[in-house]
Amino acid sequence: EDQVTQSPEALRLQEGESSSLNCSYTVSGLRGLFWYRQDPGKGPEFLFTLYSAGEEKEKERLKATLTKKESFLHITAPKPEDSATYLCAVRSQGGKLIFGQGTELSVKP
Amino acid sequence: SAVISQKPSRDICQRGTSLTIQCQVDSQVTMMFWYRQQPGQSLTLIATANQGSEATYESGFVIDKFPISRPNLTFSTLTVSNMSPEDSSIYLCSVEPQGARAKRGYTFGSGTRLTVV
Repeated sequence: EDQVTQSPEALRLQEGESSSLNCSYTVSGLRGLFWYRQDPGKGPEFLFTLYSAGEEKEKERLKATLTKKESFLHITAPKPEDSATYLCAVRSQGGKLIFGQGTELSVKP
Repeated sequence: SAVISQKPSRDICQRGTSLTIQCQVDSQVTMMFWYRQQPGQSLTLIATANQGSEATYESGFVIDKFPISRPNLTFSTLTVSNMSPEDSSIYLCSVEPQGARAKRGYTFGSGTRLTVV
């Protein structure tokens, strides 16, 4: 059964304090691993798609990496506006996404 | 990426009643997905809706409780039937990226926040 586990559940950082979020997955044949950002009261906003081990994607202060068992979302010098819940998902059979529980990130000035 | 219009954005409903949520996409898509997000939780897939065929429901979700329509390639509805307070959640629709948009990831509607009293 396809499964996604994210850690930590919550992360509090000071502005400028870099860190990483983890997403461990079990899937029969990876068809894509997705990172989303979700702000309160809104739908998830697409950040990255990764397809193969070793792949990396960057966007502003965010960098996503992928291995055969997990993905990391690195946040460099975060700002308060980076505060949100970050969701990881894998594409399963039939095209559906299986989501992890998310990491709630809080960045204090 | 595709643009999704989802409505209503929120509603407060009496237990025992039903609510229909609509999702309109600005382009034709093969697959549409309906998710539930309970308070403080992540997204759980309810069903996959393909045009011209019955929706495929995930374990724990049944058609009598969550009937889905998919009359064409740009529109779908999800009905939450005979509601109870446990149905209070955010409901989201999503579409799978098509063609040149494929690298932009699945797109989500803004969600419907349902409160059952």
